[in-house]
Amino acid sequence: EVQLVESGGDLVQPGGSLRLSCAASGITFSDYAMSWVRQAPGKGLEWVSGISGSGDRTYYADSVKGRFIVSRDNSKNTLYLQIHSLRAEDSAIYYCAKTHNLLLVAPDDAFDVWGQGTLVTVSS
Amino acid sequence: DIQMTQSPSTLSASVGDRVTITCRASQSISMWLAWYQQKPGKAPKLLIYKASTLESGVPSRFSGSGSGTEFTLTISSLQPDDFATYYCQQYNSYLITFGQGTRLEIK
Repeated sequence: EVQLVESGGDLVQPGGSLRLSCAASGITFSDYAMSWVRQAPGKGLEWVSGISGSGDRTYYADSVKGRFIVSRDNSKNTLYLQIHSLRAEDSAIYYCAKTHNLLLVAPDDAFDVWGQGTLVTVSS
Repeated sequence: DIQMTQSPSTLSASVGDRVTITCRASQSISMWLAWYQQKPGKAPKLLIYKASTLESGVPSRFSGSGSGTEFTLTISSLQPDDFATYYCQQYNSYLITFGQGTRLEIK
């Protein structure tokens, strides 16, 4: 069974930093591009970042470019999202999601497996 | 960025009803559209990809159609488990965008 488990969410002050992790199991992790999708409380879904299977190409929404850094460690089957200069509007549940198809360079695909999410709250 | 607009935002229906949700793209996305179901406190679940392909394990009462800029998700006969929020997602490029969601509630 394919499983994604996020961790690292926390209550953080504005301007702070945080690193989220997503541990994958049940797949050959390096075969799949991955993405982070967030959902503010009571709001819709927003794609924020993606990364190729090898990790050599990264992609960001304009709303987070320059503050978020996505990376992966395929030897540990783990995806990361480093978030800097946190703002109140970054408060959300952050989901990691796996692309449906193998060997895509970009995460432009449907997402067939999602983690349970990790909550980031930005507040003083 | 490609904007995705869903309608209606809220839909009231009864068990056994046939319902349709529409998703419009601000520019052509060919068939690169997915539909998700989300229940409170849970992650989204993929229902349909490539506009009309049913994900494995998803009941056949769900169907999708459309291409270009206009797409629909149809549930042929609503079941109690189907009351949830539905999102469309375009993946024509890596700048993925979602519709704002359609909340399907019990009439």
